[in-house]
Amino acid sequence: QKEVEQNSGPLSVPEGAIASLNCTYSDRGSQSFFWYRQYSGKSPELIMFIYSNGDKEDGRFTAQLNKASQYVSLLIRDSQPSDSATYLCAVGGSQGNLIFGKGTKLSVKP
Amino acid sequence: NAGVTQTPKFQVLKTGQSMTLQCAQDMNHNSMYWYRQDPGMGLRLIYYSASEGTTDKGEVPNGYNVSRLNKREFSLRLESAAPSQTSVYFCASSHSPGQVGDTQYFGPGTRLTVL
Repeated sequence: QKEVEQNSGPLSVPEGAIASLNCTYSDRGSQSFFWYRQYSGKSPELIMFIYSNGDKEDGRFTAQLNKASQYVSLLIRDSQPSDSATYLCAVGGSQGNLIFGKGTKLSVKP
Repeated sequence: NAGVTQTPKFQVLKTGQSMTLQCAQDMNHNSMYWYRQDPGMGLRLIYYSASEGTTDKGEVPNGYNVSRLNKREFSLRLESAAPSQTSVYFCASSHSPGQVGDTQYFGPGTRLTVL
């Protein structure tokens, strides 16, 4: 059974701080790694994806991938109250399907 | 572009009733997916269609059927609804399943309650 694990939170950070979200996965054959953001009552929306070991930056967001440790993370710099949401980690393999973690709820306090 | 659209947005059924959830995408994507999301369970794949004319079971297919009507449309049918099917249902689509970085885009969801 392929699994994706995330700490459910809630993770609470003050405005302006760095939020660090973590994800581990079980399938070593996984090729693509995604972070989605989901506001309450809304659908998941893509933040970014990563497929090579190392860091990938997009604005205030940085995704980090370590395939040897089967670990993906998302850093949010200068966190804003509007970043308060549930963050879903998803892992894809050659079949095309994504396996989602249960999500980490992030709360950014003004 | 509307992206991925779903109808209806909300639905209340009685146990044993049937209904069809509709999904359409205008991004010329090849693959379409149906998920359900329950509190504490995350997103779970019900069925998917890798290309027009094909459908396959996902993690939780029991109690559901699907039809890939054409490249744009993918419907999910509940033949005899049960309270355990109370959930939020999301449809998603992607262009090239299995290719590195292929991204799934989600519709707004259907909130279904079965009494």
